[in-house]
Amino acid sequence: DVKVTQSSRYLVKRTGEKVFLECVQDMDHENMFWYRQDPGLGLRLIYFSYDVKMKEKGDIPEGYSVSREKKERFSLILESASTNQTSMYLCASIGGRGPDQPQHFGDGTRLSIL
Amino acid sequence: GDSVTQMEGPVTLSEEAFLTINCTYTATGYPSLFWYVQYPGEGLQLLLKATKADDKGSNKGFEATYRKETTSFHLEKGSVQVSDSAVYFCALRRIGGSNYKLTFGKGTLLTVNP
Repeated sequence: DVKVTQSSRYLVKRTGEKVFLECVQDMDHENMFWYRQDPGLGLRLIYFSYDVKMKEKGDIPEGYSVSREKKERFSLILESASTNQTSMYLCASIGGRGPDQPQHFGDGTRLSIL
Repeated sequence: GDSVTQMEGPVTLSEEAFLTINCTYTATGYPSLFWYVQYPGEGLQLLLKATKADDKGSNKGFEATYRKETTSFHLEKGSVQVSDSAVYFCALRRIGGSNYKLTFGKGTLLTVNP
């Protein structure tokens, strides 16, 4: 089974801090994704990466950056955290090129910015 | 652009009731369609999928049929259980190139009472 692991389930940080969210997958997947999930808005794509050191903006990249130095690890960075970034963050990965390949998700990090 | 519209919740049912959660989509070409489920405190898990018109995906008693003529992928279950209480997301993935992104609906919260 594919395992996508997010480093923290719950995180509390202060406004202005630099925040790192880490995600690791164990299936050698090329494509990895970061979403945020908010009530009434569903999942929104922040950034994704299709290879090491390659990244592409999603629908809501403002205030975020990402890092993919190794294939198995994809980090989301909040450069200067703000209260409107309080949310649930979900990491996902996908392998293979078949049309039926699903994304595999981690358990999420619930981030609170005070 | 691509979009997914699913019925707004919350949906509250009694155990053994019949469930339908409507999902319609807008996309160019022939996307793959997915239903994901999110149990409380967890990430998203793939529930079922379909990759071409008239395909029926099924899992754990849930079914959904890819209807190209109505651009729909409604989720159904004949007899729900308390353990089915969760948030359900409909999603699509357009095929082609290196695009592995998913477009999600906003989610439907299902509560099943004993």
